[in-house]
Amino acid sequence: EAQVTQNPRYLITVTGKKLTVTCSQNMNHEYMSWYRQDPGLGLRQIYYSMNVEVTDKGDVPEGYKVSRKEKRNFPLILESPSPNQTSLYFCASSLVGGGSYQPQHFGDGTRLSIL
Amino acid sequence: QQPVQSPQAVILREGEDAVINCSSSKALYSVHWYRQKHGEAPVFLMILLKGGEQKGHEKISASFNEKKQQSSLYLTASQLSYSGTYFCGTEKNGSSNTGKLIFGQGTTLQVKP
Repeated sequence: EAQVTQNPRYLITVTGKKLTVTCSQNMNHEYMSWYRQDPGLGLRQIYYSMNVEVTDKGDVPEGYKVSRKEKRNFPLILESPSPNQTSLYFCASSLVGGGSYQPQHFGDGTRLSIL
Repeated sequence: QQPVQSPQAVILREGEDAVINCSSSKALYSVHWYRQKHGEAPVFLMILLKGGEQKGHEKISASFNEKKQQSSLYLTASQLSYSGTYFCGTEKNGSSNTGKLIFGQGTTLQVKP
């Protein structure tokens, strides 16, 4: 089944404790992206990747890191999480041209709580 | 600049119609529409490319008015399953394929029996 898989689905952690949210897709998509969703603000792009080893900042990249060493994986790293990063996170992927031409397929989301 | 959606929320009875608008201050190259049900991931509905074409998905269709820098989503004869939050997404800088998709704040649609 074609899907985008995020792990973990839920995480409660403390300020400053490094964490990684994994994202994997099995559709051979070139484009992958991370979003955070907060009430009233919609989906805001954190980072995106047009292909392996190519990443770029979205609208809200501060406090986050990403890497794209393999086509299928696009982990989101919070080196020193803070309470303002408490949010619902979505990973998405699409075929090349993900900005304009192609639909994005979203994972089920990861709910992070930073205490 | 984030596209602006209107209305923010709408409540319908089954069978009624609704229109959701998405306006941008920048020139639009493409507009994406997604629906998100409570507690679930956004699901793709359709993409419109500049040229004013209209697309359809079930009884949901959309138009893209390049001149007005606006797209509208039309929900006809709404069903209970249409309930959810609808998001439009546009290329951030009004140009094609930069990868920077920016979403509106969402419109919450509730369909009642």
